[in-house]
Amino acid sequence: AQKVTQAQTEISVVEKEDVTLDCVYETRDTTYYLFWYKQPPSGELVFLIRRNSFDEQNEISGRYSWNFQKSTSSFNFTITASQVVDSAVYFCALTSSNTGKLIFGQGTTLQVKP
Amino acid sequence: EAQVTQNPRYLITVTGKKLTVTCSQNMNHEYMSWYRQDPGLGLRQIYYSMNVEVTDKGDVPEGYKVSRKEKRNFPLILESPSPNQTSLYFCASSKAKGAGSYNSPLHFGNGTRLTVT
Repeated sequence: AQKVTQAQTEISVVEKEDVTLDCVYETRDTTYYLFWYKQPPSGELVFLIRRNSFDEQNEISGRYSWNFQKSTSSFNFTITASQVVDSAVYFCALTSSNTGKLIFGQGTTLQVKP
Repeated sequence: EAQVTQNPRYLITVTGKKLTVTCSQNMNHEYMSWYRQDPGLGLRQIYYSMNVEVTDKGDVPEGYKVSRKEKRNFPLILESPSPNQTSLYFCASSKAKGAGSYNSPLHFGNGTRLTVT
């Protein structure tokens, strides 16, 4: 069975601090995809990134970076120099490309204080 | 504008009174799905549909029904709502077109907050 664990329920940082959100997954599939979604206080869910199981290259997009490590089954998300607008709930998710099931983690609530 | 539209945004009802939450997308997506969001549990998949007339159970299908008679619409039906179905519901769609392609990012609706008393 597939599972996604986001052990950090809530994180609070002060603006300009770096913060890492952890995501650990379990799957028996050899081909799978990992996602991060953001849910700001307004409530909508916004896609941030997708990574497939064959691509372990880390990715950087502005202040956001993602570290995918198959050896530890982790797909962690780092925000550098956090800003108040980064305050949101962040979800990690997992799917196999052959099924329509998408499994989400419990979510991590990030609060960035000014 | 490409979007997934859910209605209503807020709904308060009583136990046992049948209700339908509508979901419509204008992106010609084949894949659609329903999720419920509860504190501490993240988002859990209720049902999904890979194409018209094709639906499958997600992780928490009990107490829910769906139908996919046309590509753009995917209503969620609660035949006899109970208080444990009080939740925030999201509909989503993606351009996934079949096995091997369910890796497309989801486009989500704005959510429906349902309260069952």
